[in-house]
Amino acid sequence: EVQLVESGGGLVQPGGSLRLSCAASGFTFSSYWMSWVRQAPGKGLEWVANIKQDGSEKYYVDSVKGRFTISRDNAKNSLYLQMNSLRAEDTAVYYCASGEFEIGGYPTYFDYWGQGTLVTVSS
Amino acid sequence: EIVMTQSPATLSVSPGERATLSCRASQSVSSNLAWYQQKPGQAPRLLIYGASTRATGIPARFSGSGSGTEFTLTISSLQSEDFAVYYCQQYNNWPPGTFGQGTRLEIK
Repeated sequence: EVQLVESGGGLVQPGGSLRLSCAASGFTFSSYWMSWVRQAPGKGLEWVANIKQDGSEKYYVDSVKGRFTISRDNAKNSLYLQMNSLRAEDTAVYYCASGEFEIGGYPTYFDYWGQGTLVTVSS
Repeated sequence: EIVMTQSPATLSVSPGERATLSCRASQSVSSNLAWYQQKPGQAPRLLIYGASTRATGIPARFSGSGSGTEFTLTISSLQSEDFAVYYCQQYNNWPPGTFGQGTRLEIK
């Protein structure tokens, strides 16, 4: 059974930092693109970042470029999101997500989702 | 960036009736479109991919159609467990794999 378990969320002051983790099991982690998707309270879904299987390609939504860094450790079956210079608008539940199917070597839809971890940015 | 627009924002339907949800892309995404269902406090669940293929374990009352810029999710006979928020997502152009803003399906 595929499992994605996020951790690391919490309350942080504006300008602060936080590191999210996602522990994966039940599938060959090193074979999949991995993504972070967030959802602000009462709002819709927003893709945040994704990373290729070997970490050689990383992409970010414009609003987090230069502040967030996605990374992975295939030996530990883990995905990370280092979040710096946090803003109130980064407050959201952050989901770790992945999917089996690719088009042209790029990710597509998300078969698998974690339960999410809440990040609250407030003074 | 491709913008996905869902309509209506809220849809009120009685149990047992049919629900039709729409999703429009700002440019063609071919058939590279997925639908998700999200219930309060839960992660999204994949319903449909490739615009019309049901994901594993999804009941036959859920169907998807469309291509290019216009897409529809139809739930043929609403069950109590179907009342939720539904999102479409295009994956024709990465990054980003943009989501629609969602349609809330509520009990009439």
